[in-house]
Amino acid sequence: DQQVKQNSPSLSVQEGRISILNCDYTNSMFDYFLWYKKYPAEGPTFLISISSIKDKNEDGRFTVFLNKSAKHLSLHIVPSQPGDSAVYFCAASARDTGNQFYFGTGTSLTVIP
Amino acid sequence: GAVVSQHPSRVICKSGTSVKIECRSLDFQATTMFWYRQFPKQSLMLMATSNEGSKATYEQGVEKDKFLINHASLTLSTLTVTSAHPEDSSFYICSAYARAGYTFGSGTRLTVV
Repeated sequence: DQQVKQNSPSLSVQEGRISILNCDYTNSMFDYFLWYKKYPAEGPTFLISISSIKDKNEDGRFTVFLNKSAKHLSLHIVPSQPGDSAVYFCAASARDTGNQFYFGTGTSLTVIP
Repeated sequence: GAVVSQHPSRVICKSGTSVKIECRSLDFQATTMFWYRQFPKQSLMLMATSNEGSKATYEQGVEKDKFLINHASLTLSTLTVTSAHPEDSSFYICSAYARAGYTFGSGTRLTVV
């Protein structure tokens, strides 16, 4: 069964607005979370991460929020730019599994100029 | 939902030996499987794309004689690391595209000693 879920396969946002991508997980042992960005014909590129000891991590236009009680994380992109159009994956791992990664199925973001 | 089962999750092998990694699609047919290797800073590098019943397409710089890919059925793709060396130690992960989006295996941590 999917331990990491991204329930929105696609999202469209106007340039300059906020993009919010969501991710839910089921395994309470997950303690490290990552967001990847993928362009066509390329491998996923690491974007930002957060460990379970934090509830927020910010890097420029990208902020990841973690709600452990809800087993939910989200990626906020502000302001959104056309170059942000890509597929975004969230992934989770747990120290006791040797840091195996469990990926969501991805959300395709389109930023409309 | 669509699941890709990847085995083994961890393997330690001696230098010069070969290691086979399997990825099986459960509940769906994967005509195409992507193989990635994780590099520092967490990004995944696309190594090759395997298509059922035909030869894999390798990315530039990936040795096809070293990383043998076989996709003999619609539910099974294998990656064999031949004559492994310590520099091949890495995290390898497979992915397939299913109706709900991209589905990833949980990865294989290879350590060559």
